[in-house]
Amino acid sequence: EAGVVQSPRYKIIEKKQPVAFWCNPISGHNTLYWYRQNLGQGPELLIRYENEEAVDDSQLPKDRFSAERLKGVDSTLKIQPAELGDSAVYLCASSPPGLGILEQYFGPGTRLTVT
Amino acid sequence: AQSVAQPEDQVNVAEGNPLTVKCTYSVSGNPYLFWYVQYPNRGLQFLLKYITGDNLVKGSYGFEAEFNKSQTSFHLKKPSALVSDSALYFCAVRDGAYNFNKFYFGSGTKLNVKP
Repeated sequence: EAGVVQSPRYKIIEKKQPVAFWCNPISGHNTLYWYRQNLGQGPELLIRYENEEAVDDSQLPKDRFSAERLKGVDSTLKIQPAELGDSAVYLCASSPPGLGILEQYFGPGTRLTVT
Repeated sequence: AQSVAQPEDQVNVAEGNPLTVKCTYSVSGNPYLFWYVQYPNRGLQFLLKYITGDNLVKGSYGFEAEFNKSQTSFHLKKPSALVSDSALYFCAVRDGAYNFNKFYFGSGTKLNVKP
């Protein structure tokens, strides 16, 4: 079974430029998460999707960040314009449908460096 | 408020010795607790979880964790450490008082196992 796929793995941009990250979750997983992980810290939730609906985006800086999950499968996270403080690893995770308390499966992440 | 604390930034242990990585939590309802491991340039991998039942939970790669409700702790343990266990370990909690899949991660503990 293929895992969560993310691209690109690394991205270096200048501040004020736009950037986009792509995530393909594990097949059949209806819940998708985007996290930001700063150096030396744990992941922090940016947005969570249940199918195509964003059900928790309270931590997403909406002035510059946007996300979409068309058709409830792939997802894209965008930053426009990027700031120096956005340098971090952006992690995508997914979990399957079900009534239990289910763990998340993480992708390898995209390491963003804003110069 | 929901939170997770990992009081040790780093744990050093000799190969073959037992290891413990500490985690304490704060939630409103019943805690659902998880441990993840992160290797360099990789996403987080699920190790084990506590939902209910036996306080001692067994997981992948010989790891186990003990849930202690009175001390609000969920420490990760392994009887005999391997050099290959060297990685970054994250504790996470989901608050059972809420009906959404929101997880809170600790800041991580770097485990160094020396030969």
